[in-house]
Amino acid sequence: DAGITQSPRHKVTETGTPVTLRCHQTENHRYMYWYRQDPGHGLRLIHYSYGVKDTDKGEVSDGYSVSRSKTEDFLLTLESATSSQTSVYFCAITYEVSSSGANVLTFGAGSRLTVL
Amino acid sequence: AQSVAQPEDQVNVAEGNPLTVKCTYSVSGNPYLFWYVQYPNRGLQFLLKYITGDNLVKGSYGFEAEFNKSQTSFHLKKPSALVSDSALYFCAVRGISSGSARQLTFGSGTQLTVLP
Repeated sequence: DAGITQSPRHKVTETGTPVTLRCHQTENHRYMYWYRQDPGHGLRLIHYSYGVKDTDKGEVSDGYSVSRSKTEDFLLTLESATSSQTSVYFCAITYEVSSSGANVLTFGAGSRLTVL
Repeated sequence: AQSVAQPEDQVNVAEGNPLTVKCTYSVSGNPYLFWYVQYPNRGLQFLLKYITGDNLVKGSYGFEAEFNKSQTSFHLKKPSALVSDSALYFCAVRGISSGSARQLTFGSGTQLTVLP
């Protein structure tokens, strides 16, 4: 979890309310990612960013938006939370392990969101 | 489309015995293959990866994995299990031709329990 901080770590909210999760890195890495983890599904990519103000959709992006105004911060927003968005959310950054391009992800500790 | 299958949701093994966590994959072209481990209330941690070369890859904490192209498998192994190896293990795959970690696909995870 070194170099990545997620906040809040736990949140309970009600259906229809907006929620923002924050990922902060101190490593100055270009690539940042948001995943959600659900039993039986492993990790699924929501959105990712390849630079300031450069973002793209992942596999399960519906209902989510992201913003990256600074290299170190990547925000995930649920504009109107639904019960199906109850999940554990992980932020990740990419470390360059070798020149091969098979980059390894380093994950934050996760944010557990419950939507009632 | 690429995919990963971890056929066992749960693997139990006695301490000191060898362990195997299974993974099969489907991808267009040659793969990059990864194993990650998740301890309770933590983010995923990188264990090892296969890029090219030797089919037997050695990683952290005494783990190794064998790439078998004909069987499209990348099983995780350890000669002698420890109670501290108990955790959730994820296999992941990316096609070499894929341009970014956006194309990294995770399996659903296997819970390994090592019994004392």
